[in-house]
Amino acid sequence: GENVEQHPSTLSVQEGDSAVIKCTYSDSASNYFPWYKQELGKRPQLIIDIRSNVGEKKDQRIAVTLNKTAKHFSLHITETQPEDSAVYFCAAGGGKLTFGQGTILTVHP
Amino acid sequence: GAVVSQHPSRVICKSGTSVKIECRSLDFQATTMFWYRQFPKQSLMLMATSNEGSKATYEQGVEKDKFLINHASLTLSTLTVTSAHPEDSSFYICSATTDNRGAETQYFGPGTRLLVL
Repeated sequence: GENVEQHPSTLSVQEGDSAVIKCTYSDSASNYFPWYKQELGKRPQLIIDIRSNVGEKKDQRIAVTLNKTAKHFSLHITETQPEDSAVYFCAAGGGKLTFGQGTILTVHP
Repeated sequence: GAVVSQHPSRVICKSGTSVKIECRSLDFQATTMFWYRQFPKQSLMLMATSNEGSKATYEQGVEKDKFLINHASLTLSTLTVTSAHPEDSSFYICSATTDNRGAETQYFGPGTRLLVL
């Protein structure tokens, strides 16, 4: 089955800095790569996703890049704000999703 | 659009009892629903995939006789934790999709926090 590795497990940045979270996956058949933000005790919320026919996608301060050859994809958040603080999960699949271990992002004012 | 609800939001029960959790898609028809379990400070672990009108597909290591899943309609799936024990205490989250062909977006419910005493 699919295996997704996510790094780093914790990330601390100053407000205004950029944050990068990286994930690798094992199953070359995976064709859908979403990123979710989860606040404590809440549901995961989709923040951006990318499909296998696209290498990069951007939505305001958030961007995702995908390298299918290397089987890795990354989340980039620019101009971070304290409200970006949360746990971020990557996932890979197509039909069903396998989630990474999560990254606790803390943005200090 | 694409709102998913879950009920109850939290439940406390005694060891040995059964607990039913409902997952509803409120404004769309969900061809597929997924059930996840999330322990504190851990990731989401897929338990099973259910399609309307057919038997659920369970992930390896998940006991299908303990976690009964019923997907009776395109807007409702239920998870019943039978003979619950303290180790079943967890955050159970469902998700739903509208496309069962290839890549798809999962919309998550708010989760149900189960505490078994």
